[in-house]
Amino acid sequence: GQQLNQSPQSMFIQEGEDVSMNCTSSSIFNTWLWYKQDPGEGPVLLIALYKAGELTSNGRLTAQFGITRKDSFLNISASIPSDVGIYFCARETSGSRLTFGEGTQLTVNP
Amino acid sequence: SQTIHQWPATLVQPVGSPLSLECTVEGTSNPNLYWYRQAAGRGLQLLFYSVGIGQISSEVPQNLSASRPQDRQFILSSKKLLLSDSGFYLCAWNPGQGYGYTFGSGTRLTVV
Repeated sequence: GQQLNQSPQSMFIQEGEDVSMNCTSSSIFNTWLWYKQDPGEGPVLLIALYKAGELTSNGRLTAQFGITRKDSFLNISASIPSDVGIYFCARETSGSRLTFGEGTQLTVNP
Repeated sequence: SQTIHQWPATLVQPVGSPLSLECTVEGTSNPNLYWYRQAAGRGLQLLFYSVGIGQISSEVPQNLSASRPQDRQFILSSKKLLLSDSGFYLCAWNPGQGYGYTFGSGTRLTVV
């Protein structure tokens, strides 16, 4: 019930294309977080979602908290080479612990 | 502003040797602190978390231990490293529920 299923595992796209990835869970919860990890670095928080149905943007990134509270998606519009990295969804459990999805490895070809 | 420091950035250690990785947070008090391990550039596995000095919770039984001797210091240790301890170790902090994490820059540990 606490597993997060993140897809796709990897994406290879051309610069300028839009990207969409998503996360699902069999459990409902109150917070969805999206992180990006650059190679050799720690993950950095991109977007935090706190309410079902919430749609939040951060520059070219848009994320939504699903109405059922069991899923979320992250879209990246007009991708650029620096979007390369691993994108993680995460949910918060008791004790302020985060459970992460397995990540989506994004490769952007110039 | 708050900052998190983690060192060393890379470490190569022989099997059976001890380990000590340190993480410190500045600019805040009583943070929640976490140690994660990441294998092969993919999923993040929570190893330990701490909500206060001397309070350590272990998520996964293993060859590692953690300590929090000061409010803003979190240490990951091992008495004898195994090959399977290799990985990318990340420290993180947050001020409480609902704030997400801020991660350190990680330590790449290779056990040879």
